[in-house]
Amino acid sequence: GQQLNQSPQSMFIQEGEDVSMNCTSSSIFNTWLWYKQDPGEGPVLLIALYKAGELTSNGRLTAQFGITRKDSFLNISASIPSDVGIYFCAGRSSQGGSEKLVFGKGTKLTVNP
Amino acid sequence: DAGVIQSPRHEVTEMGQEVTLRCKPISGHNSLFWYRQTMMRGLELLIYFNNNVPIDDSGMPEDRFSAKMPNASFSTLKIQPSEPRDSAVYFCASSLVGVGYGYTFGSGTRLTVV
Repeated sequence: GQQLNQSPQSMFIQEGEDVSMNCTSSSIFNTWLWYKQDPGEGPVLLIALYKAGELTSNGRLTAQFGITRKDSFLNISASIPSDVGIYFCAGRSSQGGSEKLVFGKGTKLTVNP
Repeated sequence: DAGVIQSPRHEVTEMGQEVTLRCKPISGHNSLFWYRQTMMRGLELLIYFNNNVPIDDSGMPEDRFSAKMPNASFSTLKIQPSEPRDSAVYFCASSLVGVGYGYTFGSGTRLTVV
């Protein structure tokens, strides 16, 4: 089945540093999504990307939909302690009109004050 | 909007007992998804419904698991009999088909089977 390879698995950074994480797939996706999960809660949508090459920002977050439609990255600038959490990429393929999202395994972010 | 509502938030049960997890999707959403999250396997899709009809249940682990959606505002995931390896966080999510939006997740049910 479809799989997303998300990296890195975990990151330990200092407050104020920039962060970058990415997802790759052997399959083509027509939608890429980035979620954040806080402890004890469900994932929350951060950014949605719908077109190859699209670059979208949401505050300090920037994400891009790869031109090949097989990858995406998420950047966080000037990290703050509340950025701590697990970040997931998710992709939806165009096959069969499926609404299924495939999720990466997540990147656990720790921000040291 | 109250979001996706799941109950209970925590469930501890003995092996062999029946467990029922409940979900109320966002009003107006016509797709509903049940996911299971574990450290080892991450987020796994168990089953999803479009307009209350099960579309894909290929992720349901075995016959002990069953899911129903009797109407647009309610779904259940049942495990009977439960086993310790079923211990995980179970999430329900809903979305609007065809719009391309991401899912909205509930806060999850943490299930512990002892």
